[in-house]
Amino acid sequence: TQLLEQSPQFLSIQEGENLTVYCNSSSVFSSLQWYRQEPGEGPVLLVTVVTGGEVKKLKRLTFQFGDARKDSSLHITAAQPGDTGLYLCAGNNNDMRFGAGTRLTVKP
Amino acid sequence: DADVTQTPRNRITKTGKRIMLECSQTKGHDRMYWYRQDPGLGLRLIYYSFDVKDINKGEISDGYSVSRQAQAKFSLSLESAIPNQTALYFCATSVKGPTDTQYFGPGTRLTVL
Repeated sequence: TQLLEQSPQFLSIQEGENLTVYCNSSSVFSSLQWYRQEPGEGPVLLVTVVTGGEVKKLKRLTFQFGDARKDSSLHITAAQPGDTGLYLCAGNNNDMRFGAGTRLTVKP
Repeated sequence: DADVTQTPRNRITKTGKRIMLECSQTKGHDRMYWYRQDPGLGLRLIYYSFDVKDINKGEISDGYSVSRQAQAKFSLSLESAIPNQTALYFCATSVKGPTDTQYFGPGTRLTVL
């Protein structure tokens, strides 16, 4: 059983659509991070959220940390083919635990 | 130049062989990690080291060992490789802090036949 459950596991959409992916846990985390991984490469940090209820924006990406610091969401507005990749969430509580990821494909 | 490098990038080996994967970093970070990635399971921590004299087991350390030869080098060994150790292996570094951001290498694809 994964400590962090990510949904959906796979998502395929057309360019210009909006999407939201989720990261849920029964554990409370001191911080939560989102990473993006492209084929043949290691994950790269997108954002860190620390405070319950925190919202951070990175261009067309909006990240939210749940009030109880157990869950998070990533919303992408007007998705582009360059957004294609594996999106991983990771919770920090003395050690870092990763979810299995959401594999996003954005078709032109 | 890459800040975190891993060698080899790809390796095919046979059951029972001893394998060493190497990681080097130029980021000056004290903390180094080894993860494996499997489809549907995400990244799982194998071992981590917070400084040269510190080694800690992670979530799935059985069948693996590590050596922290220097601040910049952290190697992972499979003493007797088995097929279910076929996976992508990532080295990562971080600096001590409240968020512990992980900086990953490019990965090593290991296949055990």
